[in-house]
Amino acid sequence: GESVGLHLPTLSVQEGDNSIINCAYSNSASDYFIWYKQESGKGPQFIIDIRSNMDKRQGQRVTVLLNKTVKHLSLQIAATQPGDSAVYFCADLIGSGGGADGLTFGKGTHLIIQP
Amino acid sequence: KAGVTQTPRYLIKTRGQQVTLSCSPISGHRSVSWYQQTPGQGLQFLFEYFSETQRNKGNFPGRFSGRQFSNSRSEMNVSTLELGDSALYLCASSLGVAADTQYFGPGTRLTVL
Repeated sequence: GESVGLHLPTLSVQEGDNSIINCAYSNSASDYFIWYKQESGKGPQFIIDIRSNMDKRQGQRVTVLLNKTVKHLSLQIAATQPGDSAVYFCADLIGSGGGADGLTFGKGTHLIIQP
Repeated sequence: KAGVTQTPRYLIKTRGQQVTLSCSPISGHRSVSWYQQTPGQGLQFLFEYFSETQRNKGNFPGRFSGRQFSNSRSEMNVSTLELGDSALYLCASSLGVAADTQYFGPGTRLTVL
């Protein structure tokens, strides 16, 4: 079935560098996208979201970019820190105006921060 | 404001038994969604409750059921447990319907022996 997927299962970056985690989605009807961070032994933690009427949204040290033409989503983390080490999931929702069927999650990218 | 809480955090059951998991949403949140997380299948949507009514249901067998109480607290039940039901069960709450930002609890780790 249609789902959200991530390009890489693991991404290793140097502390202080910027990280870019990518996600591709297949359903053009998806209109709400969320990035979650999950640390070992914890539930997913909301990072940032974006709706389909936007191309970019910024938070604290994070930026999400949405390219609807190629159905691609990315999460940029500036100046990565050891605390950023976690598994990152993108998720999408179809029908954010009602009748939604729950979030569809990608498989996740494990971000490893090298000292 | 307290986050989403789930009880118990860990549970060990044997095949054929049933189990009930509990979720208390963030105060003021009316929607509760449940997800199953396994290494092989990742995070999969089970169902969503809003105002004590099931709004949506994922592709899981009827052994998985849930309910929501008037205070928005929710329970999910799995009957006739199978080995493959071993997973982390996550509950998420949102202010209104699931289209609002969902905040997750720490999960209940269920092991079926």
